[in-house]
Amino acid sequence: EAQVTQNPRYLITVTGKKLTVTCSQNMNHEYMSWYRQDPGLGLRQIYYSMNVEVTDKGDVPEGYKVSRKEKRNFPLILESPSPNQTSLYFCASSLTLGTGAVEQYFGPGTRLTVT
Amino acid sequence: ILNVEQSPQSLHVQEGDSTNFTCSFPSSNFYALHWYRWETAKSPEALFVMTLNGDEKKKGRISATLNTKEGYSYLYIKGSQPEDSATYLCAFINFNKFYFGSGTKLNVKP
Repeated sequence: EAQVTQNPRYLITVTGKKLTVTCSQNMNHEYMSWYRQDPGLGLRQIYYSMNVEVTDKGDVPEGYKVSRKEKRNFPLILESPSPNQTSLYFCASSLTLGTGAVEQYFGPGTRLTVT
Repeated sequence: ILNVEQSPQSLHVQEGDSTNFTCSFPSSNFYALHWYRWETAKSPEALFVMTLNGDEKKKGRISATLNTKEGYSYLYIKGSQPEDSATYLCAFINFNKFYFGSGTKLNVKP
């Protein structure tokens, strides 16, 4: 089944404790992206990747890191989480953005709480 | 940061009503516009990908139009059903980045 998976789905952590949220897709998609969703603000793009080893900042990259060592995986790293990073996070992927606009497929979401 | 606005923020209609909502975006450097449907406790799912001025897309009772010169897109739902209840998001794509509106939350009462 074609899908985007994220782990964990729920996470409660404390300020300053490094964490990684994994994202994996099995559709051979080139473009992958991370978003956070906060009430009243809609989805905001954190980082995106056009392909392996090609990543770039979205609108709200502060406090986050990403890597794209393999095509299928795009982990989101919070080196020192803070309470203002409490949010619902979505990973998404699409075939490409370079040869035409195509739809994104979203993962199930990760609800992160930082105390 | 590019501004993408959706209106109204929320909408309550009766089953069988037709409805429409608006997505406004910058009219310069247009690449594509996406519409997504987001049901509670689920993930957003793509409805339409629109790339050309004058584009019209249709999927069942849902359709969308695009005007890139004036920077807006309309989403129409004909004969709303309770299962249409969801938040509808639009996303403006510009230089490989996605800019989402805050969505229109539709509630269809039986």
